[in-house]
Amino acid sequence: DIQMTQSPSSLSASVGDRVTITCRASQSISSYLNWYQQKPGKAPKLLIYAASRLHTGVPSRFSGSGSGTDFTLTINSLQPEDFATYYCQQTYTTRTFGQGTKVEIK
Amino acid sequence: EVQLVESGGGLVQPGGSLRLSCAASGFTVSSAYMSWVRQAPGKGLEWVSLIYSGDGRTYYADSVKGRFTISRHNSKNTLFLQMDSLRPEDTALYYCAKDRGLLGNDYWGQGTLVTVSS
Repeated sequence: DIQMTQSPSSLSASVGDRVTITCRASQSISSYLNWYQQKPGKAPKLLIYAASRLHTGVPSRFSGSGSGTDFTLTINSLQPEDFATYYCQQTYTTRTFGQGTKVEIK
Repeated sequence: EVQLVESGGGLVQPGGSLRLSCAASGFTVSSAYMSWVRQAPGKGLEWVSLIYSGDGRTYYADSVKGRFTISRHNSKNTLFLQMDSLRPEDTALYYCAKDRGLLGNDYWGQGTLVTVSS
């Protein structure tokens, strides 16, 4: 089974900061990597699919990059509504989620 | 508008069974890949099961293989998860999600809570 490891597990940031979250796969998954945002008490929302493609309606301050085993989610100019937990997901073989990264207010 | 509404959760004793339902609208369940994803209280997301469109091939996480069964009822446009031999570690909020194959889950339900406890 493919394991997904996110780092960091949590981070503190201020409004306007640039935030970077990384996700590493235990084997190559090509570009079959998706990113989700989840707020407390809500279902996850798809942000980025196929490593770098912005899902419909997602603000352009979100971007994704990477291929193979190493991937990055970047949030430029963090907004108050971006404080949430972020998960990566591989869809190369069945599905696996990373353990999540909680973005908190500094 | 796409909507997914889960139901069927509740309190069950260890070793018991539950069947979760996910009623879909705005698209045809039989024409889409569909997934179940769960989230234990205070924990992260865990993929549980996947059913393909068309041939209906099914896949399961190792943690539920042999105990859970995913299926769909085409005329009712509903997805199911039959959960048998439940364990305390199966306690979680269970989401159904429309699955775009390699391209992620674009629609999610609100979840239904399953609690396994004596």
